[in-house]
Amino acid sequence: NAGVTQTPKFQVLKTGQSMTLQCAQDMNHNSMYWYRQDPGMGLRLIYYSASEGTTDKGEVPNGYNVSRLNKREFSLRLESAAPSQTSVYFCASSGRTVQGEQYFGPGTRLTVT
Amino acid sequence: AQSVAQPEDQVNVAEGNPLTVKCTYSVSGNPYLFWYVQYPNRGLQFLLKYITGDNLVKGSYGFEAEFNKSQTSFHLKKPSALVSDSALYFCAVRGIMEYGNKLVFGAGTILRVKS
Repeated sequence: NAGVTQTPKFQVLKTGQSMTLQCAQDMNHNSMYWYRQDPGMGLRLIYYSASEGTTDKGEVPNGYNVSRLNKREFSLRLESAAPSQTSVYFCASSGRTVQGEQYFGPGTRLTVT
Repeated sequence: AQSVAQPEDQVNVAEGNPLTVKCTYSVSGNPYLFWYVQYPNRGLQFLLKYITGDNLVKGSYGFEAEFNKSQTSFHLKKPSALVSDSALYFCAVRGIMEYGNKLVFGAGTILRVKS
């Protein structure tokens, strides 16, 4: 049981390049999330998908797009990377109930030069 | 709007001593409260949660947390700290009416346990 997986683990981009971060979960969860983690700021929600076929903006969506490909997969795309997007990105998933905790992937460390 | 405050950037404690990591929250209505732990270069791991019922919640690795509605606090505690407890700890809150099961996280508290 892999839980939540993310690829790649590390990535270095030049300003203006694009890339897609992949996330998949095998727990049959309805909801999936993308966060970024920056020192001293905790985790900030970028986008989330409450269920298959729906996506919504979180706290810091500018510069990102997402796709909920199916129930298992939720990708995050940076169309034109900027140095301010240097961060560690985490994907998470949770079950339908609001009482359920979120399960996190191992993270992607992204550096934009 | 929901918010979480972790007033201490870092907590230092000697091995074997009790530890407390503080968390206060603000939310409309009744809260769902969570604690997560993050070890270096790892994702967050769920420790425990408060949904309803007993104000003292027990979780993984011997941790517990006390919900105090009047003080809007949810402090994480452990009776006897281990060096292996050294990590980054996050408190999070979800409002009962919040759509999409969104969590709001605190900034995190570094716990250092010295032998």
